[in-house]
Amino acid sequence: EVQLVESGGGLVKPGGSLRLSCAASGFTFSNAWMSWVRQAPGEGLEWVGRSKSKTDGGTTDYTAPVKGRFTISRDDSKNTLYLEMNSLKTEDTAVYYCTTVARWNWYFDLWGRGTLVTVSS
Amino acid sequence: QSALTQPRSVSGSPGQSVTISCTGTSSDVGGYAYVSWYQQHPDKAPKLMLYDVSKRPSGVPDRFSGSKSGNTASLTISGLQAEDEADYYCCSYAGSYTFGVFGTGTRVTVL
Repeated sequence: EVQLVESGGGLVKPGGSLRLSCAASGFTFSNAWMSWVRQAPGEGLEWVGRSKSKTDGGTTDYTAPVKGRFTISRDDSKNTLYLEMNSLKTEDTAVYYCTTVARWNWYFDLWGRGTLVTVSS
Repeated sequence: QSALTQPRSVSGSPGQSVTISCTGTSSDVGGYAYVSWYQQHPDKAPKLMLYDVSKRPSGVPDRFSGSKSGNTASLTISGLQAEDEADYYCCSYAGSYTFGVFGTGTRVTVL
């Protein structure tokens, strides 16, 4: 079955750190471009960042509000995508979705169920 | 980069058609043919409904159609059904610095 399963969410204090994981199955993860999208409670969707496949350069890109604080990495041997979040702020509170992203057409076709990150003192 | 502008809500009776607009700028919607639409039911993950403005992924009913004119993209749901009641978000590529921007979201209510 083709699926993405996120884990690692939870409650963290402002200034703290958290690492999310996304386990992929049912497709060739190493060839996939992957992304994280978040949704604050009761709010809309926000693109967080993207990881290109290693064959396409393996680079990462981020939205401005998280640049320098968040890092996306991948372990193709474990079919897993990661999101390392540092210097967390209350405005980072959201459900974080792992998605596949089309190489050039910029659409998100496969989504995980999401994991909730709450940043609060 | 500001979110794309969508109406807060639209509604229609079963069998009717509704259209959701998604307004951006020449830097996003107007500059690229990379507009996609997502359906989200309460407490569920979003689902891709359209990509490249008007293409449907396998399994999406042909009741869903898309178009674009200038800086505004549109999603039309024809023959509205009860299961279409959900939130809908547009998304556009916005260049190699901003990358992607989502719309503000539209709640579709089936009366």
